[in-house]
Amino acid sequence: KQEVTQIPAALSVPEGENLVLNCSFTDSAIYNLQWFRQDPGKGLTSLLLIQSSQREQTSGRLNASLDKSSGRSTLYIAASQPGDSATYLCAVNDYKLSFGAGTTVTVRA
Amino acid sequence: GAGVSQSPSNKVTEKGKDVELRCDPISGHTALYWYRQSLGQGLEFLIYFQGNSAPDKSGLPSDRFSAERTGGSVSTLTIQRTQQEDSAVYLCASSRIAGGPQDTQYFGPGTRLTVL
Repeated sequence: KQEVTQIPAALSVPEGENLVLNCSFTDSAIYNLQWFRQDPGKGLTSLLLIQSSQREQTSGRLNASLDKSSGRSTLYIAASQPGDSATYLCAVNDYKLSFGAGTTVTVRA
Repeated sequence: GAGVSQSPSNKVTEKGKDVELRCDPISGHTALYWYRQSLGQGLEFLIYFQGNSAPDKSGLPSDRFSAERTGGSVSTLTIQRTQQEDSAVYLCASSRIAGGPQDTQYFGPGTRLTVL
């Protein structure tokens, strides 16, 4: 059974700092990995999807890397803003998604 | 449609009642998934449909839970004799194709179920 772990569980940083969120998974037989954002009481917003054959994916201030052999992905958010405050979830896809518990980020103005 | 829609957005029911949750996937998406997000368990897979058939029901927590999909489109998740531990947000997702590198799952806003 796929196990997905996210570290840290919570993170608080001043505005402008870069954020580093970590995700690890136990079974490398995956199709892709997705990073999601979830605001309180809201649904999931897909941020980035990395195919298993890719090493990284970028969108604006977001960059995600994937090392499938070691079962790790990292989400980098550059120059954080208060609007980045949310819970970030990673999910690995082996046709169904297995989610980590999330990292709750607070960016202080 | 433009995105995955779910109804109702909120449902409050009494213990022992049956509830039905509905999901309308993105038009043309053949795969449909149900997930549940609860405080104690995080986000967990319930069931997956390919067309109208459900090859994987392994995540359904008990035989009180069932789901169907008709016309390769709308899906209904039914919970019979609801219990307080069924309280959670039920999320539906759809993708154009199941599995493989082209499988990007798009999520609906969820149905928040509260069992009193």
